Amino acid sequence: TQLLEQSPQFLSIQEGENLTVYCNSSSVFSSLQWYRQEPGEGPVLLVTVVTGGEVKKLKRLTFQFGDARKDSSLHITAAQPGDTGLYLCAVRWGRQLTFGSGTQLTVLP
Amino acid sequence: DVKVTQSSRYLVKRTGEKVFLECVQDMDHENMFWYRQDPGLGLRLIYFSYDVKMKEKGDIPEGYSVSREKKERFSLILESASTNQTSMYLCASSSGLVAFFGQGTRLTVV
Repeated sequence: TQLLEQSPQFLSIQEGENLTVYCNSSSVFSSLQWYRQEPGEGPVLLVTVVTGGEVKKLKRLTFQFGDARKDSSLHITAAQPGDTGLYLCAVRWGRQLTFGSGTQLTVLP
Repeated sequence: DVKVTQSSRYLVKRTGEKVFLECVQDMDHENMFWYRQDPGLGLRLIYFSYDVKMKEKGDIPEGYSVSREKKERFSLILESASTNQTSMYLCASSSGLVAFFGQGTRLTVV
């Protein structure tokens, strides 16, 4: 069983649509991060959330940390082709930095 | 600018060869990580290091070893490469919550 479950695994939408992807666990975390990975590159940090219920906005991206600090969501408003990529959530688990399996998002023009 | 550099973008090796993947960071970070990434499986941790000469196994260490003789350099070693080790390998470094990644090495074992 994976520590972090991400859903959906794949998502293909048209430009201008809204979407939400999820990162869930049965464990409680002190913080959670979201990364985006573009083809042929390493993941790049988007945001870190640390407080239960916290909402952070990054332009058209809205990140929320669950009240119980077990889950998180990423909502994209009016998606654009430049949003295409693999979205990964990650947590520090002991000394390890552990990632979910990711959501592969494709935004079609 | 923060920089994590992996020695090769693409590598082709033969089965049974000993393979070295090198990673260098210029941020004086204590922690360094090696992951492999395969479709549908996300990033799986192979080994990590939290200090010079210190290492811990991750989730999939079998067939791999690591070396960290200097703080800035973390090497991944495939003792005897096999075809099931064909994958994308990603190195990362961090000093706290934020991890910075290299561009990845796509290794093909034939």
